Amino acid sequence: QQPVQSPQAVILREGEDAVINCSSSKALYSVHWYRQKHGEAPVFLMILLKGGEQKGHEKISASFNEKKQQSSLYLTASQLSYSGTYFCGTHDNYGQNFVFGPGTRLSVLP
Amino acid sequence: DGGITQSPKYLFRKEGQNVTLSCEQNLNHDAMYWYRQDPGQGLRLIYYSQIVNDFQKGDIAEGYSVSREKKESFPLTVTSAQKNPTAFYLCASRSSRLAGGPSYNEQFFGPGTRLTVL
Repeated sequence: QQPVQSPQAVILREGEDAVINCSSSKALYSVHWYRQKHGEAPVFLMILLKGGEQKGHEKISASFNEKKQQSSLYLTASQLSYSGTYFCGTHDNYGQNFVFGPGTRLSVLP
Repeated sequence: DGGITQSPKYLFRKEGQNVTLSCEQNLNHDAMYWYRQDPGQGLRLIYYSQIVNDFQKGDIAEGYSVSREKKESFPLTVTSAQKNPTAFYLCASRSSRLAGGPSYNEQFFGPGTRLTVL
């Protein structure tokens, strides 16, 4: 079952912060985050493996709450290069069938 | 340089024809995946393979077929049974090196093939 992402789209000015949420009705064993620029392939950002885990990647970080079956991606002091569509992805409990969320389109304006 | 390649980048097909999309990786990855992406939409899983000579259907396998005769290759055939094949097709691979298997490793994506049915 596909995870749910919110918001569907967000528009920011450079330097502003944003939060993208990913949740599932099924138990989450890991959460992956990817960013895709228009017409290109998705690029890996980070994987979260344990409940409560937080990871960071430059000014992009994420948290994973296993109990609440949700993950959040935090973008701080956004840059123009952050524009794109952000996808979360989750596995079934055998670590095989991988499902992406519908994506959140982020636009950063000067 | 290790990576994953897809060819061709653009493909045009007449209705009723089968067409095969190529996906090759030299990353020595065990798992490979095919996704379909429609304009403004997310990625939907067509087929995946964890090891050579084995593959599983994803959410939208109808009208598609795959083979995995070699570790580095995972071609996708779009058959005439696929009613609406125009889309962006992405291939990905993943290592199983870390403990716990594929779920603990990132996916590497190829550049994609844009298929248009005329």
